[in-house]
Amino acid sequence: KQEVTQIPAALSVPEGENLVLNCSFTDSAIYNLQWFRQDPGKGLTSLLLIQSSQREQTSGRLNASLDKSSGRSTLYIAASQPGDSATYLCAVISGGSNYKLTFGKGTLLTVNP
Amino acid sequence: EAGVVQSPRYKIIEKKQPVAFWCNPISGHNTLYWYLQNLGQGPELLIRYENEEAVDDSQLPKDRFSAERLKGVDSTLKIQPAELGDSAVYLCASSLSPASVEQFFGPGTRLTVL
Repeated sequence: KQEVTQIPAALSVPEGENLVLNCSFTDSAIYNLQWFRQDPGKGLTSLLLIQSSQREQTSGRLNASLDKSSGRSTLYIAASQPGDSATYLCAVISGGSNYKLTFGKGTLLTVNP
Repeated sequence: EAGVVQSPRYKIIEKKQPVAFWCNPISGHNTLYWYLQNLGQGPELLIRYENEEAVDDSQLPKDRFSAERLKGVDSTLKIQPAELGDSAVYLCASSLSPASVEQFFGPGTRLTVL
């Protein structure tokens, strides 16, 4: 059974700092990995999707990497802003899992002005 | 282009009452998902539809939960009767196909059972 772990559970940083969020998964036979953002009381917004054959994806100040063999992904946020404050969720689709997304519990990020 | 639409956004009911949630996926998306998100947790899949067929409902508590997607477009998730432990956010998502593209989520329905 696929398990996804996100570290840290919560992170507070001053504005302008670069930061890294970590995601690990137990079964490396994944189809893809997706990073989401969730604002309080809101649904999930997809940030980046990495196919299993890819190593990284970039969008603006965000960069996500994937190391399938070690079962790890990182989300790098450059020059953080208060508007980046949210919960960041990592999810994987495992091969042979009927394409079910398995989520981690998320990292609650607070960027202080 | 409109995103995934869900209604209601909030619902408060007393235990043992029935409740229903509605979802309209992004136009052209054949795959529809219902997820349950408890406080401080990631979403967990309840059921997945390919068009009007439920292809994965292994996590759906069938004694009290039911879902339908009669015409392969919008979908309804029902709980009858609701229990205190059902208080959570119910999220709907859609995608063009099962796994080739990302899933797009609606804003969710926050259910409170008193």
